[in-house]
Amino acid sequence: GIQVEQSPPDLILQEGANSTLRCNFSDSVNNLQWFHQNPWGQLINLFYIPSGTKQNGRLSATTVATERYSLLYISSSQTTDSGVYFCAVEDTGKLIFGQGTTLQVKP
Amino acid sequence: KAGVTQTPRYLIKTRGQQVTLSCSPISGHRSVSWYQQTPGQGLQFLFEYFSETQRNKGNFPGRFSGRQFSNSRSEMNVSTLELGDSALYLCASNAGDRYSPLHFGNGTRLTVT
Repeated sequence: GIQVEQSPPDLILQEGANSTLRCNFSDSVNNLQWFHQNPWGQLINLFYIPSGTKQNGRLSATTVATERYSLLYISSSQTTDSGVYFCAVEDTGKLIFGQGTTLQVKP
Repeated sequence: KAGVTQTPRYLIKTRGQQVTLSCSPISGHRSVSWYQQTPGQGLQFLFEYFSETQRNKGNFPGRFSGRQFSNSRSEMNVSTLELGDSALYLCASNAGDRYSPLHFGNGTRLTVT
């Protein structure tokens, strides 16, 4: 099956800083999604992005499918951005999740 | 539009018992998937239901089962609970095609003692 690796595993930022999270996957995919899990456990869908670039406010994502990676950019981070960010790719009808990047934004 | 609703939010059960978790998808969504999240194994796919039929299944023992009703609501059942079944169980829904974004509920936190 497809392997999904995320880096870095942990990230600590000061409020206002920018960051880049990376997701590598081992095979070609038709479906890649980014999620944010808040401290209360809720998983929020950030992007559906099998290829190309998308932006939503301070967040943007780029997937280079031919090179099998995706990047999530967070600009001007806020304390509410804290939590775990997951990348997930589709493999035979199911989403395979990476282990996540835990982000802590300090005020 | 209401999001994915899971009940109950918390459950405490004893080893050997069984448990049923419920999930109501977003209105109009026909696919419901279940995931188990633990600190050690991360997020793992349990199964997916579409139009009352199991369409995909993960690598979990037969103690884990599910079903979907004609209104797309879904239940999952775990029989003969083990300590290792303690986890956050997340339900997600989408329109049903493989290119639709997945939307998750708040989860049911199950503790087995």
